[in-house]
Amino acid sequence: QAQLVESGGGVVQPGRSLRLSCAASGFTFSSYTMHWVRRAPGKGLEWVALLSFDGTKKDYADSVRGQFTISRDNSRDTLYLQMNSLRGDDTAVYYCARGSHRNYDSSGLDFWGQGTLVTVSS
Amino acid sequence: DVVMTQSPLSLPVTPGEPASISCSSSQSLLHSNGYNYLDWYVQKPGQSPQLLIYLGSYRPSGVPDRFSGDGSGTDFTLKISRVEPEDVGVYYCMQALQTPFTFGPGTKVDVK
Repeated sequence: QAQLVESGGGVVQPGRSLRLSCAASGFTFSSYTMHWVRRAPGKGLEWVALLSFDGTKKDYADSVRGQFTISRDNSRDTLYLQMNSLRGDDTAVYYCARGSHRNYDSSGLDFWGQGTLVTVSS
Repeated sequence: DVVMTQSPLSLPVTPGEPASISCSSSQSLLHSNGYNYLDWYVQKPGQSPQLLIYLGSYRPSGVPDRFSGDGSGTDFTLKISRVEPEDVGVYYCMQALQTPFTFGPGTKVDVK
């Protein structure tokens, strides 16, 4: 069974940086597009970023473009989100999610981690 | 960016009764391959989001068959044939046709 475990969240001061990790197991990580999605307190889900299976295609929500960087290490089955210049409105639970397989069409974000809480506060 | 809207934003339901949620997109989600790139998710209290429907009407294995999705182009519907008490949560549609992907605002479903 696929499993995703996020880590790296915590309390950080405005303007500082944080790197989130998402460790994958139970499936061939290197064959899947991966996503980050967040949910701020009292708000809905917000798609943050995606990275293709081979790292060649990436894109970001307008709200984080130029501020966040998504990356992956297929040798370690791990997805990352580097978050710089953090602001209060980046406070959220961050989820990683599995997207489509390299050989198949979209099948939704079919597995999600438990999430990691990032709180930006002085 | 594609803007997603949902209605209603709040939906009180009675167990055993049907329920439906509408989702509209600012651009057509119908790809030239014939698929609509529209997914439905639910986030139950205290849980991570989970996929209910992908490509407009396809249900992943493990999702109860009381959930169904239909629609095409810019207008979509999620239907629950008979609501169960465990269906409470916030339901979201999300377009996956073009990046950035975008979610609807969510519909909060709770029991009357």
